[in-house]
Amino acid sequence: SQQGEEDPQALSIQEGENATMNCSYKTSINNLQWYRQNSGRGLVHLILIRSNEREKHSGRLRVTLDTSKKSSSLLITASRAADTASYFCATAFNDYKLSFGAGTTVTVRA
Amino acid sequence: SQTIHQWPATLVQPVGSPLSLECTVEGTSNPNLYWYRQAAGRGLQLLFYSVGIGQISSEVPQNLSASRPQDRQFILSSKKLLLSDSGFYLCAWSTAGETQYFGPGTRLLVL
Repeated sequence: SQQGEEDPQALSIQEGENATMNCSYKTSINNLQWYRQNSGRGLVHLILIRSNEREKHSGRLRVTLDTSKKSSSLLITASRAADTASYFCATAFNDYKLSFGAGTTVTVRA
Repeated sequence: SQTIHQWPATLVQPVGSPLSLECTVEGTSNPNLYWYRQAAGRGLQLLFYSVGIGQISSEVPQNLSASRPQDRQFILSSKKLLLSDSGFYLCAWSTAGETQYFGPGTRLLVL
């Protein structure tokens, strides 16, 4: 079963605006990862945050992790048309497997 | 650098026909290998994973099987396809506990 659940399911924003999506999970994790999927393509890893970290940045991406609330957020700043994609959180609770959420579909309007 | 290949890219098969999807990884040794299925507009469902040659763990009882005949080759098979086997199949590799790297996927349509 999927442990991570993203919210919202879909998001439409204007180019230049920020996009925020959230992920909630149920059990203790080793790390949490965010992936992007362009339509009809494979997933691309964006960022990994470990259970002992609270915030991580990569370019225009900012990820937070609150293990007490079992939640994470992904912020994309100054969005571009190329950011249009589906975004998935994935939780790792052992050394082998990731559990993916259903994803947030982001549409950036020009 | 590491690369992952999947083929075919697209496949249309009749119900009851066999299936063989192949995934190969280059540039790394002894990777963990994964097969996922993604229904349209949905998240990823883990089907199988392998931590070594001949070692296969099945996550969901179903019409499919997996094999790992070589260190960097992972094969997804079925003897008789069902309509419900249609979907987007993704192969991925990783080292333990870290990032998974995905192939381009195979879109399977069973008619």
